[in-house]
Amino acid sequence: GAGVSQSPSNKVTEKGKDVELRCDPISGHTALYWYRQSLGQGLEFLIYFQGNSAPDKSGLPSDRFSAERTGGSVSTLTIQRTQQEDSAVYLCASSIRPGQGIYEQYFGPGTRLTVT
Amino acid sequence: GQNIDQPTEMTATEGAIVQINCTYQTSGFNGLFWYQQHAGEAPTFLSYNVLDGLEEKGRFSSFLSRSKGYSYLLLKELQMKDSASYLCAVRDREGNTPLVFGKGTRLSVIA
Repeated sequence: GAGVSQSPSNKVTEKGKDVELRCDPISGHTALYWYRQSLGQGLEFLIYFQGNSAPDKSGLPSDRFSAERTGGSVSTLTIQRTQQEDSAVYLCASSIRPGQGIYEQYFGPGTRLTVT
Repeated sequence: GQNIDQPTEMTATEGAIVQINCTYQTSGFNGLFWYQQHAGEAPTFLSYNVLDGLEEKGRFSSFLSRSKGYSYLLLKELQMKDSASYLCAVRDREGNTPLVFGKGTRLSVIA
């Protein structure tokens, strides 16, 4: 079946503009995660959705970042008033619901965001 | 705080064996994962350890010692296609919660 997909694959934007990044998780996966990967850094957790529960936003670096997940499937990460330090690869992952296996996360190919 | 350490870079020869170490200090422990990430691509799952000991899967093995906060990934019969970054990650909470990642080890396999 299809894996996790993300769009766009690349996004160049000017400082101060808003951007939206999209993630389509694997069908049937109830958990969805956003991470970002900056040059020379490990994957940094941003936000986590599990089913209908309130999202865990503890990793969001500032209030310029927000995310939503509609219908328990597609998710959109929004960055308002982008800054140059927001430049990174934004990775989305999904995993199955609790009670099934080890819950490995399946990653999408990422969106490379460049803020000029 | 959360801390996961692994070497930044390693180089090994085709056909050889390489061991990538990972040490962790996290607020909780509910499993350790290894992922492989080729340049410009998505990380892909390699292995999972939650109990002490060795897990073997083909050319790849992963070891865990919870008392030492230590894991390693062992790659045997190295191939050029194994050149990639290897990411060590810990789940510090129960359930399918987010992972805490190390910075990754970039492995170069040379002829």
